[in-house]
Amino acid sequence: DGGITQSPKYLFRKEGQNVTLSCEQNLNHDAMYWYRQDPGQGLRLIYYSQIVNDFQKGDIAEGYSVSREKKESFPLTVTSAQKNPTAFYLCASSSGPGNQPQHFGDGTRLSIL
Amino acid sequence: AQTVTQSQPEMSVQEAETVTLSCTYDTSESDYYLFWYKQPPSRQMILVIRQEAYKQQNATENRFSVNFQKAAKSFSLKISDSQLGDAAMYFCAYRFILNSGYALNFGKGTSLLVTP
Repeated sequence: DGGITQSPKYLFRKEGQNVTLSCEQNLNHDAMYWYRQDPGQGLRLIYYSQIVNDFQKGDIAEGYSVSREKKESFPLTVTSAQKNPTAFYLCASSSGPGNQPQHFGDGTRLSIL
Repeated sequence: AQTVTQSQPEMSVQEAETVTLSCTYDTSESDYYLFWYKQPPSRQMILVIRQEAYKQQNATENRFSVNFQKAAKSFSLKISDSQLGDAAMYFCAYRFILNSGYALNFGKGTSLLVTP
């Protein structure tokens, strides 16, 4: 079945540590996205990528980095510069046309040790 | 920037009854898309319904329908014959053009409680 796989489901970060969240899709979608979800805040866009080897900052990119070396993969690194990383992170993808919805992974819950 | 406002943080409905969740948005575009997503306790984001702004007819998907008022920039979701499985967070989203592609702006969500 086609879909988006995020791993791990739960992740713990120590102070000063970088951690990487994985996102893989087999939907053959060009565009991929990372969102952060906090209680009462809805979803906020961190980074997005429309094609391989290209990505752009969203509204809250500070303290995060991404790469897009393959169409299927869009990993997100939460760096030590992100002072409040505890949140639920969702990865999404979509095909080109604007009427196509975004498909979401099951998310990763990141907490601070 | 296009903003999306969901003014009801929480709503409650009895099983088999009808409930309407409100959403308003701000935009200067004439053609755009709007979506409703459902997020159950499992935290999966599930597409409920979509609406194209240039279509006057309101979208319908089984028990879910929208009331799209373009001039008022309003996009409410009506759930008929509510079921216990409808209990979830519901997010309204506006699709906007971002560089050569698209992205979504989300509202803060409405938590729907369904009581027996």
